[in-house]
Amino acid sequence: AQSVTQLGSHVSVSEGALVLLRCNYSSSVPPYLFWYVQYPNQGLQLLLKYTSAATLVKGINGFEAEFKKSETSFHLTKPSAHMSDAAEYFCAVSYPGGATNKLIFGTGTLLAVQP
Amino acid sequence: GAVVSQHPSRVICKSGTSVKIECRSLDFQATTMFWYRQFPKQSLMLMATSNEGSKATYEQGVEKDKFLINHASLTLSTLTVTSAHPEDSSFYICSARDVPGGARGYTFGSGTRLTVV
Repeated sequence: AQSVTQLGSHVSVSEGALVLLRCNYSSSVPPYLFWYVQYPNQGLQLLLKYTSAATLVKGINGFEAEFKKSETSFHLTKPSAHMSDAAEYFCAVSYPGGATNKLIFGTGTLLAVQP
Repeated sequence: GAVVSQHPSRVICKSGTSVKIECRSLDFQATTMFWYRQFPKQSLMLMATSNEGSKATYEQGVEKDKFLINHASLTLSTLTVTSAHPEDSSFYICSARDVPGGARGYTFGSGTRLTVV
């Protein structure tokens, strides 16, 4: 069974500091991996996705993530945090192929950015 | 880019009544629609998956008679919470994709905050 684990339900960084949000997956086959951001009372916005092409994926708003098969990880990073980055971040995995490809979400990481 | 419009954004209803939530794909055909429920400060829990013209597939523990899903067209899916009770209060989010299988992105609606009083 596939699953995704996000280490750290809360992460706090200073404005301008590195952002690192951790995500590890468990899957018997190479999955597709996604990072989403959610602002309060809103839906989810896709930041980036890995679909078996380049292992370093660049997304919107300066975020990027690297797929490391040996570590079964897909951590999200941003070199310099902005106040506007404060939000909930979800890592998700889906199983390639199949008719529905449902997304399975991690438990989320709430990012706080301190001035 | 792909857009999914979800309405209403907020709804308050009395216990025992039914509430319908709509999700429309505005610029693509939603072959598959996913319905999620999110409790405060928690992750998204998949409730059901529906393919256009077919019956929805519900996740384990989700009452299909309580959460009615209709996906009669490629641009519209609805979730009806029947005989709502306070414990049904939650944030409901839909997600659509146009291509079954593959790695295409999932487009999310903006969510519906349901409060049952």
